[in-house]
Amino acid sequence: DTAVSQTPKYLVTQMGNDKSIKCEQNLGHDTMYWYKQDSKKFLKIMFSYNNKELIINETVPNRFSPKSPDKAHLNLHINSLELGDSAVYFCASSQGTVIQYFGAGTRLSVL
Amino acid sequence: AQSVTQLGSHVSVSEGALVLLRCNYSSSVPPYLFWYVQYPNQGLQLLLKYTTGATLVKGINGFEAEFKKSETSFHLTKPSAHMSDAAEYFCAVSDRSGNQFYFGTGTSLTVIP
Repeated sequence: DTAVSQTPKYLVTQMGNDKSIKCEQNLGHDTMYWYKQDSKKFLKIMFSYNNKELIINETVPNRFSPKSPDKAHLNLHINSLELGDSAVYFCASSQGTVIQYFGAGTRLSVL
Repeated sequence: AQSVTQLGSHVSVSEGALVLLRCNYSSSVPPYLFWYVQYPNQGLQLLLKYTTGATLVKGINGFEAEFKKSETSFHLTKPSAHMSDAAEYFCAVSDRSGNQFYFGTGTSLTVIP
């Protein structure tokens, strides 16, 4: 069974659209994250949720809204997509201080 | 606040040669330090971590790293490179709560046959 699963794996959409990326972990971890990896491979944390509560919200446009219905899920909704949102988005989870599990990533292309 | 600097965005080594990937960190509190590997089109996989105790830590696939507080470094090494080691490597630092987790910009390792 996949520990951290993200869907979809690829997402191609037009500017201005709204899209969501789903993430689920079956590890019983308390903390989940969203990261954005740009074309230069730089990984930047976007959000961190601990037991359904927002812990970190880095400088991210408010077009990005995370939703955690329960501690096993952390979804990312993006409104009014822009060209600069094109990137690979990774979900991750941890118990304590070590992020041991990342999802395989969602490659978002905004046209 | 924490930050990580990885020196050298691209490193090339010959198969069988020593691998050395550099990582320096900045932290106002005792840090936890990590190395992750990312193979093409895949997510990140934890290679090794330092939290407390022995400063030389061993990870998977023959990699190891040494925490040197005086040099604020956590360099990753492997005695003999294998073709399968070609990947992107990320150093990361976190505070002890695990809520602040920061990655370096990554080092792409190429192994030349």
